[in-house]
Amino acid sequence: NAGVTQTPKFRVLKTGQSMTLLCAQDMNHEYMYWYRQDPGMGLRLIHYSVGEGTTAKGEVPDGYNVSRLKKQNFLLGLESAAPSQTSVYFCASSYDEQSGELFFGEGSRLTVL
Amino acid sequence: AQSVAQPEDQVNVAEGNPLTVKCTYSVSGNPYLFWYVQYPNRGLQFLLKYITGDNLVKGSYGFEAEFNKSQTSFHLKKPSALVSDSALYFCAVRDGRTYKYIFGTGTRLKVLA
Repeated sequence: NAGVTQTPKFRVLKTGQSMTLLCAQDMNHEYMYWYRQDPGMGLRLIHYSVGEGTTAKGEVPDGYNVSRLKKQNFLLGLESAAPSQTSVYFCASSYDEQSGELFFGEGSRLTVL
Repeated sequence: AQSVAQPEDQVNVAEGNPLTVKCTYSVSGNPYLFWYVQYPNRGLQFLLKYITGDNLVKGSYGFEAEFNKSQTSFHLKKPSALVSDSALYFCAVRDGRTYKYIFGTGTRLKVLA
């Protein structure tokens, strides 16, 4: 099993450009999450999904959109990138609705110039 | 709203000494509490969790955590620290009524040889 795979691992964008981060998990997990990690701020939840076809906002959703068309994939989109979106993005998934721990990808480092 | 606080940005401990990394939480309903570890340029890895039952929870790599409901704390402990334990540690809480996992800001543990 590959677990949780994020692509791309690194990306540099110019302000105003768009891009999509892909998260794929092969563990048949229902719940998937996108976080961003910034120094001194820990991990902040951007959006999450409790199942195929569902999405919900987290703590910092502005400037991002997500889609969960297939159970194994959770896409994070930036329509018009801003320097404030320079961060490391982590995808995670969970198998249990109440007590399951999160399984994380290796992260995607995004720089917006 | 649920929240997690990790009051120490960094904890230094000598190899072989016991270590404690502090975490306090605020959540409505029953708390589901987690500890994760992050090594440089990697995703987060699950260490242990408290769902219900014994207040002392044992996890990976010799770590344990003590749940204290009256003090709303979930401190991470290890009897004898190793240099290889040096990493960034995150406490997280999941409210029993939602599917969101909220993380603390992280504590950097440095074990000195």
